[in-house]
Amino acid sequence: KQEVTQIPAALSVPEGENLVLNCSFTDSAIYNLQWFRQDPGKGLTSLLLIQSSQREQTSGRLNASLDKSSGRSTLYIAASQPGDSATYLCAVKEGGGSNYKLTFGKGTLLTVNP
Amino acid sequence: NAGVTQTPKFHILKTGQSMTLQCAQDMNHGYLSWYRQDPGMGLRRIHYSVAAGITDKGEVPDGYNVSRSNTEDFPLRLESAAPSQTSVYFCASKAAGGTDTQYFGPGTRLTVL
Repeated sequence: KQEVTQIPAALSVPEGENLVLNCSFTDSAIYNLQWFRQDPGKGLTSLLLIQSSQREQTSGRLNASLDKSSGRSTLYIAASQPGDSATYLCAVKEGGGSNYKLTFGKGTLLTVNP
Repeated sequence: NAGVTQTPKFHILKTGQSMTLQCAQDMNHGYLSWYRQDPGMGLRRIHYSVAAGITDKGEVPDGYNVSRSNTEDFPLRLESAAPSQTSVYFCASKAAGGTDTQYFGPGTRLTVL
């Protein structure tokens, strides 16, 4: 059974700092990995999706890497801002086509202090 | 486009009562899923649908029913609510084929007393 772990559970940093969020998974036979952002009381917003054949994806100040063989992904946030404060979740997809399953981590609560 | 919409945003039920959580998407997505999010746990899928008329069970389907009569709507029904169904419920959509990006609705916070 796939298990997804996110460390740390919570992180507080001063504005402007670069930071890394970690996601690990137990079964490396994944189809892709997705990073989401969740603001309090809101739904999830997809940030980056990395296919199993890819090593990284970038969007603005965000960079996600994937090492499938070791079961790890990182989300790097450059020059953090107070607006980045949110919970960040990763999810791995197993199976292709219509019969897929997403397994989510419990998330990392990020606070960026002005 | 409104994306994925959910109603209601909040609701309180008594044990044994029934209700339907509404989900609608206007992106012509084929795949729709219902998830529940509980403190200290990752999101878990309840039911999903790959197209109108086709539904299937997710990892935690007990106590819930779904139907998909058209592409846009995917209601989740609780026939006899239990306190264990107190949770935040999210509907998510994904295009059939192409990108695997998931689009989530804003959620329904349900309390069962």
